[in-house]
Amino acid sequence: DAGVIQSPRHEVTEMGQEVTLRCKPISGHDYLFWYRQTMMRGLELLIYFNNNVPIDDSGMPEDRFSAKMPNASFSTLKIQPSEPRDSAVYFCASSTDSAGDYTGELFFGEGSRLTVL
Amino acid sequence: AQSVTQLDSHVSVSEGTPVLLRCNYSSSYSPSLFWYVQHPNKGLQLLLKYTSAATLVKGINGFEAEFKKSETSFHLTKPSAHMSDAAEYFCVVSLVSSGGYNKLIFGAGTRLAVHP
Repeated sequence: DAGVIQSPRHEVTEMGQEVTLRCKPISGHDYLFWYRQTMMRGLELLIYFNNNVPIDDSGMPEDRFSAKMPNASFSTLKIQPSEPRDSAVYFCASSTDSAGDYTGELFFGEGSRLTVL
Repeated sequence: AQSVTQLDSHVSVSEGTPVLLRCNYSSSYSPSLFWYVQHPNKGLQLLLKYTSAATLVKGINGFEAEFKKSETSFHLTKPSAHMSDAAEYFCVVSLVSSGGYNKLIFGAGTRLAVHP
């Protein structure tokens, strides 16, 4: 299996521009998570989906952030407009059950490093 | 409320010496606990997990952790460090949230350096 695939790996953009991050989860996984990692705040859960439906988006910072999962093999995280404080590494992860349940294993992608100038 | 504290932000050891990464948790019930590892420019990978079975949990790459309820600790150990162990390690507690699903709460991380 190819694992969780994220694109782009690196993105540099200017403040005010729209940013779209993409994720392909592991086939057969029915949970998908978006995390953000910064030095100051560590790893934060932004949103997660179960069977393509958003379950908990309480971690999404503000209305500039949106996430979609149109099908079981694809998800996007969009920031519009982007701001310098959005600079971070964004991780997508997938799982076969709600993380923390009897397996608790999340499979992470390699991340998308976003720099907003 | 559930939380997790990693007591050391950086740990440095020599190759071949033991590794100890400390983690304390706070939970109002018997938690599920995990250790994840992140190598530079990579995603996180599960090392091991505790889910109320045996208190001594063995993971990949020779790591193990012991759940001590009386001390609310879940320290990660390895008898002999290898250069390839240099990475960031995250202690994680599972949080049962409203709606019945579980969320993972990550510690701040401990960066392990291994010197020749």
